[in-house]
Amino acid sequence: KAGVTQTPRYLIKTRGQQVTLSCSPISGHRSVSWYQQTPGQGLQFLFEYFSETQRNKGNFPGRFSGRQFSNSRSEMNVSTLELGDSALYLCASSEGHLGGPYEQYFGPGTRLTVT
Amino acid sequence: GENVEQHPSTLSVQEGDSAVIKCTYSDSASNYFPWYKQELGKGPQLIIDIRSNVGEKKDQRIAVTLNKTAKHFSLHITETQPEDSAVYFCAAPSSGTYKYIFGTGTRLKVLA
Repeated sequence: KAGVTQTPRYLIKTRGQQVTLSCSPISGHRSVSWYQQTPGQGLQFLFEYFSETQRNKGNFPGRFSGRQFSNSRSEMNVSTLELGDSALYLCASSEGHLGGPYEQYFGPGTRLTVT
Repeated sequence: GENVEQHPSTLSVQEGDSAVIKCTYSDSASNYFPWYKQELGKGPQLIIDIRSNVGEKKDQRIAVTLNKTAKHFSLHITETQPEDSAVYFCAAPSSGTYKYIFGTGTRLKVLA
């Protein structure tokens, strides 16, 4: 099976702009989670989607949003970018059905730099 | 709130020696404990996990132990090799949610 794919791998944006990141989960997986990874804060949970519904949300401002499509692919959007949004954004997929928890598999990440 | 503490933050061992990384969790309802290895420029890779109904699990040179009473779990790597050098993360689910809380990571260096 192909692994989790994320596009693009690298992005450079300017403060105030917005950005959209994409994640394709492992075939058959219906849950997609997003994490922000920074040297200072480590891996922090953003949100999780299952069958196009957001089931959990982390403690991030409303500028961070996401969605999931019927084919389980997910996108996250960050509006009005700030310098502090520079980070590695990781997507993880799992089976996600009720009765978990299930193993999570991460993609390679999107490195976002805000200047 | 839920919390996962991980120690040590850095660990250097000689090739062939063993390495142990410990994590402590706060949510007593947590029932699944994965370990991830992250190499430079890559996403975290699931290397081993354990569920709360067992106390130990092994996979070749790596093993994980779980002490539910003390609420801690550990990663053990035996016969370390230079390719084991990476950052290792532990995690635990926040009970009742699909959210994982990660430890702060341990940078392991295996010296040849």
